[in-house]
Amino acid sequence: DAGVTQSPTHLIKTRGQQVTLRCSPKSGHDTVSWYQQALGQGPQFIFQYYEEEERQRGNFPDRFSGHQFPNYSSELNVNALLLGDSALYLCASSFTGSAETQYFGPGTRLLVL
Amino acid sequence: GNSVTQMEGPVTLSEEAFLTINCTYTATGYPSLFWYVQYPGEGLQLLLKATKADDKGSNKGFEATYRKETTSFHLEKGSVQVSDSAVYFCALSNDYKLSFGAGTTVTVRA
Repeated sequence: DAGVTQSPTHLIKTRGQQVTLRCSPKSGHDTVSWYQQALGQGPQFIFQYYEEEERQRGNFPDRFSGHQFPNYSSELNVNALLLGDSALYLCASSFTGSAETQYFGPGTRLLVL
Repeated sequence: GNSVTQMEGPVTLSEEAFLTINCTYTATGYPSLFWYVQYPGEGLQLLLKATKADDKGSNKGFEATYRKETTSFHLEKGSVQVSDSAVYFCALSNDYKLSFGAGTTVTVRA
């Protein structure tokens, strides 16, 4: 049973560019959440997608947007990258019936120069 | 709002020592509580959870009890191994989103 997968594993961008990160949820899961983890800190909630709609959003600017596809996979897009966007981006999936228990992927490490 | 406060690290122990990592929380309603572990270069792995007051979560020798009266969820393990070296995160779930503590780095020496 495949767990949560994310791509790419690493990414280097320059300020002002745009980036797209991808996530495939664990088999049987229909809900995807995205988190940003800065170095040495705990993950911060960005947003959650369910039934192809953004269900909840954390305290992140509109530069951060997302999408969920009919197969439940998801993308995180970040526009106009800032140096402070450098972080590990984690995707987590869950099943609506047990949406509290989230399973995390290995993350995408983004470096903005 | 929701917040989680963890014992600051780093924590360094010898093999077979007793480990405790303190965690307290502030939340509206009745959150579920979790401990996640992160090994170097990896994502987060769910270690254990408790969904209501007085529940005890346990896994791989780790335990934590949901204490509503003290708003705490301390992690314990009676005898740690070198392989337990990792960063441990306490988290709460409210409205399906997770709020995390800052993490506690644990190093176990042989």
